[in-house]
Amino acid sequence: GENVEQHPSTLSVQEGDSAVIKCTYSDSASNYFPWYKQELGKRPQLIIDIRSNVGEKKDQRIAVTLNKTAKHFSLHITETQPEDSAVYFCAASKASGTYKYIFGTGTRLKVLA
Amino acid sequence: DADVTQTPRNRITKTGKRIMLECSQTKGHDRMYWYRQDPGLGLRLIYYSFDVKDINKGEISDGYSVSRQAQAKFSLSLESAIPNQTALYFCATGLAVGTDTQYFGPGTRLTVL
Repeated sequence: GENVEQHPSTLSVQEGDSAVIKCTYSDSASNYFPWYKQELGKRPQLIIDIRSNVGEKKDQRIAVTLNKTAKHFSLHITETQPEDSAVYFCAASKASGTYKYIFGTGTRLKVLA
Repeated sequence: DADVTQTPRNRITKTGKRIMLECSQTKGHDRMYWYRQDPGLGLRLIYYSFDVKDINKGEISDGYSVSRQAQAKFSLSLESAIPNQTALYFCATGLAVGTDTQYFGPGTRLTVL
């Protein structure tokens, strides 16, 4: 069935360093890839997304890259800050029909001051 | 996002009890979803609905049922709760067309003893 693998499950970085989280999807028909940030005790919130007709998207310190051939996409956070500490989830979706998300299992990012 | 609300926020119940979790939204979205979050497993889809007459099973629907009472309300029921249904439950909403983005409610923490 459809599957999204996410790595690593935990990631610790020093403040100011970069963090990279990677996801691989199985359904080649997937064409929408959102990233959600979930702070402790809070709801998941969308931080950035990318569609399959785009290879890269940036929003200030965060960026997402997509490689359709390899079926993987990555979240890049530069100049990490303590408030970036959270769990990050990737997801894959087909933007037609069901609009269902298949989520990765999450990455717990810790930014050490 | 105060546009999506869930009640109750926390619930402790006993094995065999029937319980209902409620979700309401003022975003005017047609699509509504119920997810379950367990540590290390990410977010898994239980049920989803595109309108009051359209209900679909997700990947883990066994032991759950839903009701779409109106465009704005989507309830999740556990007919006979069991301990392995202890989890954090999220409702989410989305537009039927255009964007794929899903917006999450604050979550309900359910404990089944």
